[in-house]
Amino acid sequence: QVRLVQSGAEVKKPGASVSISCKASGYIFTSYYFHWVRQAPGQGPEWMAKINPSGGSVTFAQKFQGRLTVTSDTSTNTIYMELTSLTSDDTAVYYCARDFPTRGSWFDPWGQGTLVSVSS
Amino acid sequence: EIVLTQSPGTLSLSPGDRASLSCRASQSVANSFLGWYQQKPGQAPRLLIYGTSHRATGIPDRFSGSGSGTDFTLTISRLEPEDFAVYYCQQYDSSPRMYTFGQGTKVEIK
Repeated sequence: QVRLVQSGAEVKKPGASVSISCKASGYIFTSYYFHWVRQAPGQGPEWMAKINPSGGSVTFAQKFQGRLTVTSDTSTNTIYMELTSLTSDDTAVYYCARDFPTRGSWFDPWGQGTLVSVSS
Repeated sequence: EIVLTQSPGTLSLSPGDRASLSCRASQSVANSFLGWYQQKPGQAPRLLIYGTSHRATGIPDRFSGSGSGTDFTLTISRLEPEDFAVYYCQQYDSSPRMYTFGQGTKVEIK
């Protein structure tokens, strides 16, 4: 079955950068786009970016433009995100999700999430 | 950017009850691109409904979605113990390619 497995929790200081990976299995990696979505404590999810793993084109939420890098590696079926200039507002669980492109564009399935804590 | 407002914030119900969750958009959602997710503590969200009224794979038929324009509803016909969770609506705007979520409705055991 389709499975997305993310890298482990991270603790960072303000101003640092964080990188998270998401390894996909169970289907043809290049057949579907991927998303990064984050969820701050007690808040609803927030969409960050979408990547076409075949070719690597990325669409960003305006809020993260310039501070977020998203890449894909078709040799390992893995997508990556890097978020720079971290502040305490970036403390959240970060999820990768595969795109479900039927009657719109949805997030299904999701990775297990990666907790990123930003604190001095 | 379309803002989604969910109500109520919390719904206190008993197993077997009917639940109606509302999602209101700040402007019309094009093409009925509105979906719903369920999230349990410590888990990732799970897609329940897409395209306003279509159930995702494996979702029981007690879950249904309806609506159009700016007003959408998720209905759970008879609550099962495993349905007590937080529910989020999400819209997709194809031009520009933007995704937004509501702030969630918690369905708790009364």
